[in-house]
Amino acid sequence: DAGITQSPRHKVTETGTPVTLRCHQTENHRYMYWYRQDPGHGLRLIHYSYGVKDTDKGEVSDGYSVSRSKTEDFLLTLESATSSQTSVYFCAISERSSSGGREQYFGPGTRLTVT
Amino acid sequence: GESVGLHLPTLSVQEGDNSIINCAYSNSASDYFIWYKQESGKGPQFIIDIRSNMDKRQGQRVTVLLNKTVKHLSLQIAATQPGDSAVYFCAENTGTYKYIFGTGTRLKVLA
Repeated sequence: DAGITQSPRHKVTETGTPVTLRCHQTENHRYMYWYRQDPGHGLRLIHYSYGVKDTDKGEVSDGYSVSRSKTEDFLLTLESATSSQTSVYFCAISERSSSGGREQYFGPGTRLTVT
Repeated sequence: GESVGLHLPTLSVQEGDNSIINCAYSNSASDYFIWYKQESGKGPQFIIDIRSNMDKRQGQRVTVLLNKTVKHLSLQIAATQPGDSAVYFCAENTGTYKYIFGTGTRLKVLA
């Protein structure tokens, strides 16, 4: 499982409140990602990080911010949650394989409901 | 658990038979591909990968075939078992940070 944990695993929050999701990894991976998964869509990238304090936007970054102050932790914040952000959120890491590919591994997910 | 996709294409296979799941990828510049398995309520699980310099790669009970001419990827599961029931999807990568994911196929194993 590449040593990835996510917290919380489930959260219900109200519209307009800030929410922070945490991804923690134990294997010193440089690249970390946040995705959301919704019915009818493939996984969509929100933000990613290529090192401590180095982050960039993905395809669905509006309304989200991230921070990475330590290698092991990548935080996703919904600044003011909206119902459209109800989703399952996955954290992932990637690493170079021996064959030269970039394997990507996922955490268990956080199910967020915004009421 | 939550539904990964409400209207995914479904492949129903008899237990013990072989399963073939297909994926059409979008970017001709993609040079690395991954197959994932996702069970209800869980994160995607890495199954097998393949680089574009290969046409075929085998793992334990799984084989991935790559046809670059038609941008097609397939996952073959031998002797399908009840525990193989899940959603399967492919991902493509061009060597950068960005991965493109398919929406998946639901595999149902019939006893």
